[in-house]
Order: sequence, then C-alpha cells, then structure tokens
Amino acid sequence: QVHLQESGPGLVKPSETLSLTCTVSGGSISTYYWTWIRQPPGKGLEWIGYIHHTGIINYNPSLKSRVTISVDTSKNQFSLNLSSVTAADTALYYCARHRGTNFDYWGQGTLVTVSS
Amino acid sequence: EIVLTQSPGTLSLSPGERVTLSCRASQSISSNYLVWYQQKPGQAPRLLIYGATTRATAIPDRFSGSGSGTDFTLTISRLETEDCAVYYCQQCGNLLPYTFGQGTKLEIK
Repeated sequence: QVHLQESGPGLVKPSETLSLTCTVSGGSISTYYWTWIRQPPGKGLEWIGYIHHTGIINYNPSLKSRVTISVDTSKNQFSLNLSSVTAADTALYYCARHRGTNFDYWGQGTLVTVSS
Repeated sequence: EIVLTQSPGTLSLSPGERVTLSCRASQSISSNYLVWYQQKPGQAPRLLIYGATTRATAIPDRFSGSGSGTDFTLTISRLETEDCAVYYCQQCGNLLPYTFGQGTKLEIK
C-alpha cells in the first residue's frame, strides 16, 4: 500500500519561501508522476504542479513564477518550494501520486499558515 | 484553462435516496480525463471515479459516473450516512493546468 506523508513548517512569514517535503513509502518514486495540490481553509482544490523522476515537470501557470518542485529518488521524496508567500498562500497542502489521468493516493495534508 | 462548474452547490437528502451531481466543462474534454473525488470532513480527497465511468479500488457500486464532452455526472444510487462529503470533479488530461470544480456538498439528513 502506497503511503504519502507531507512534512514542513506550519508557519511561514510573508515574503519568505514555503518548503514542504513528501515522503513516499510502499512504492518507488521512480514510477509514476507525483503532484502537489492545495486547499485554502474552507475552499476548493487547486493543482500546483507535478514531477516525474526523469525531470519532466509542469506547473500551474498561476503559480509558475514562484513554484519549484524537485525529486530526490535516493530518499523516495519530492519537494515543493513556493517563494514570496502572502496570506493568500495559507492552505492545506497535499501531495499525491499522479497515475497519468488521476491522483490515486494522497497524503493527509499539512496546514501552512502565512503570518508574521 | 478549462473551467469546471459543479451543481448544485449543496444538497440535503435522506438515506436510501438517489442523487445525481453535475459537472459541466467550459470546453469539451476526453472522458479519459474526467475524475471524481470524495472529501469527507477533516480528510484528504479520495479517488472515486476516473475515466468518467471507472470506479476506483474499493469504491462501492452505488457510485457510478457517466457523461461525455462537456457534461458529466456522478450518481449515488442509494445514499448512506457515510456518503456525507464534498464531491469534486477534475479534468486531468493533457491540457494544463489541471482544474477542479468548486465542489458539491452533500448532506445526509
């Protein structure tokens, strides 16, 4: 059974960089694509971007100038960096496995609050 | 960007009833790329239906999906109290960005 777990600071100051890591267990990160999604409190889902271990990456154009997603196959992890954050970036951040046409396994999510 | 509009926004039904949720796309999408998720309070979304009609692993056959082009539906044939959740559709195809509908909140009386 594939399991994903997000980790990282729960509080980030405005204008700083949000950094999260997703650790994958029960399967190799060198298979499939891997993706990040976020959900502001009480609101809907927004796709952030995805990565494949071969280096294929795509981002949501609305965030592209501030987002970097990377993968560390040696640790079976992938990461999200979001720069110049504002209060609008406060959200639950989820990582998930991207099985080509759907996201089939999700982490439990981690709440990141942007506040001074 | 493909905009997905879900309706209704909220509905309240009784156990045993049948419900149909709608997802309308701003342009035609391949059925292969239409997905439904269920999100219960305090939980991550769970994959329900992919390819518009295929149930994900362990999803009961009370759930079914249909549709094509710009109009897709999720039907729950016999509601149970555990079906209380927000349901999202998503287009997950080769036209980026992937987008989600705004969700339909289903309440069970």
